[in-house]
Amino acid sequence: NAGVTQTPKFRILKIGQSMTLQCTQDMNHNYMYWYRQDPGMGLKLIYYSVGAGITDKGEVPNGYNVSRSTTEDFPLRLELAAPSQTSVYFCASAEDRQRQFFGPGTRLTVL
Amino acid sequence: AQSVTQLGSHVSVSEGALVLLRCNYSSSVPPYLFWYVQYPNQGLQLLLKYTSAATLVKGINGFEAEFKKSETSFHLTKPSAHMSDAAEYFCAVSGYGQNFVFGPGTRLSVLP
Repeated sequence: NAGVTQTPKFRILKIGQSMTLQCTQDMNHNYMYWYRQDPGMGLKLIYYSVGAGITDKGEVPNGYNVSRSTTEDFPLRLELAAPSQTSVYFCASAEDRQRQFFGPGTRLTVL
Repeated sequence: AQSVTQLGSHVSVSEGALVLLRCNYSSSVPPYLFWYVQYPNQGLQLLLKYTSAATLVKGINGFEAEFKKSETSFHLTKPSAHMSDAAEYFCAVSGYGQNFVFGPGTRLSVLP
C-alpha cells in the first residue's frame, strides 16, 4: 500500500494563478480531509468528504474548492491564488473517526 | 464546539530526561483523543489514541498518555528522551460525528 500520496511536493504560484493539488489514497477509506498548516498555528481543516460525491466545508474553506468523484481521489483546487494561501497543505484519509493517515504534504508559495 | 490547547510551543529536555507535553481539550461529547508526531518535512504520524477504553494509553517509541476527564487533559510522557524524539507534537480531539480538531503543536528539542 502506498497510503496517501500527494502531488506536487512543492509549487510556486504567482498571484491570480490557479492550480490543483492532487491527493490519492489506496486504503478504500470513506473519509478524506484537506488541511493547511501555517507556522505555529497547527492544522486547520479546509474541506472534508465522507464519501464519493459528498463534500463539506471545514474551518477555512474560502478560496478553495474540492470534488470527490471517486473513493480514491480528493483534489483541492485554488482558483485565484493569493499570498495568504502560502502554506503547507496536507491531505488525510480515515476509515472512521478514530485515526487519520496523512500524506507527505505540498509546500505552496504564492508570490 | 471542540478545542485543544497545548501549553508550551517549545519544550527542551536533555537526553535521558523525562518528556512531558501538555494537552487540554474541550468537547461537548465524549472525545477521542490523539497524539501525532511530525518530523521535519514529513506528514503527521499517529503516536497513540484514546477511544474510551483504558485511560492510560501506550503508543509507539515508548510514549504514553493518560486521559483525565476531571482535568480535561491528555498529557504525553516518555520516561527518557532520545535524540530521535526531536519533532513537532500535535494533540487532537474528535467526537462522535465530529471532525478532528488539532492543537497548535509543541516543538520538542532534545539536548545532548
